[in-house]
Amino acid sequence: NAGVTQTPKFRILKIGQSMTLQCTQDMNHNYMYWYRQDPGMGLKLIYYSVGAGITDKGEVPNGYNVSRSTTEDFPLRLELAAPSQTSVYFCASRDRHLDFYGYTFGSGTRLTVV
Amino acid sequence: SQELEQSPQSLIVQEGKNLTINCTSSKTLYGLYWYKQKYGEGLIFLMMLQKGGEEKSHEKITAKLDEKKQQSSLHITASQPSHAGIYLCGADIRSGNTPLVFGKGTRLSVIA
Repeated sequence: NAGVTQTPKFRILKIGQSMTLQCTQDMNHNYMYWYRQDPGMGLKLIYYSVGAGITDKGEVPNGYNVSRSTTEDFPLRLELAAPSQTSVYFCASRDRHLDFYGYTFGSGTRLTVV
Repeated sequence: SQELEQSPQSLIVQEGKNLTINCTSSKTLYGLYWYKQKYGEGLIFLMMLQKGGEEKSHEKITAKLDEKKQQSSLHITASQPSHAGIYLCGADIRSGNTPLVFGKGTRLSVIA
């Protein structure tokens, strides 16, 4: 059981480039989330989805886009990368009911924009 | 404003010492989750608390949720190098299906 898989693990982008951070879960979870973690700032919610075809903005959505065409996949798209998007990105998922285990997190993508 | 405050921001303890990390919410807690993160890795679930006054333990880690349901503490007894990492609390402060909010984390270092 792989859980939540994120790719790539590391990436360096030049200013203005674009990329897609991939996130896949194999637990048939309805809810999926994208957070970013900056040093000393905890986790900030970028976007989330409550099921295929449904997405919603979180606290810091500017500069990002998401789609949820399947239950398993929740890619995060960065358009026109900026240095402010240098961060560690975490994808997470959970069952329909916020159960005993809360969220299952991926291992993260460390992105540097230069 | 920060809805979930963690303290301290960082902590350095000698191996074998006890320590406590606090997580305080500005709103009622409907569920409180403690996670641990090692550098370069994802968040690992530790414990979940839901009821006021609830206390849970796993190995040398104990978490409590106070009766007013707005604060939780994580206590580590006889700390070991393996306890080093970042501890984050995540909270359900609106009930229902709204996303968890997270504190800024506490960085713990354990020195020999």
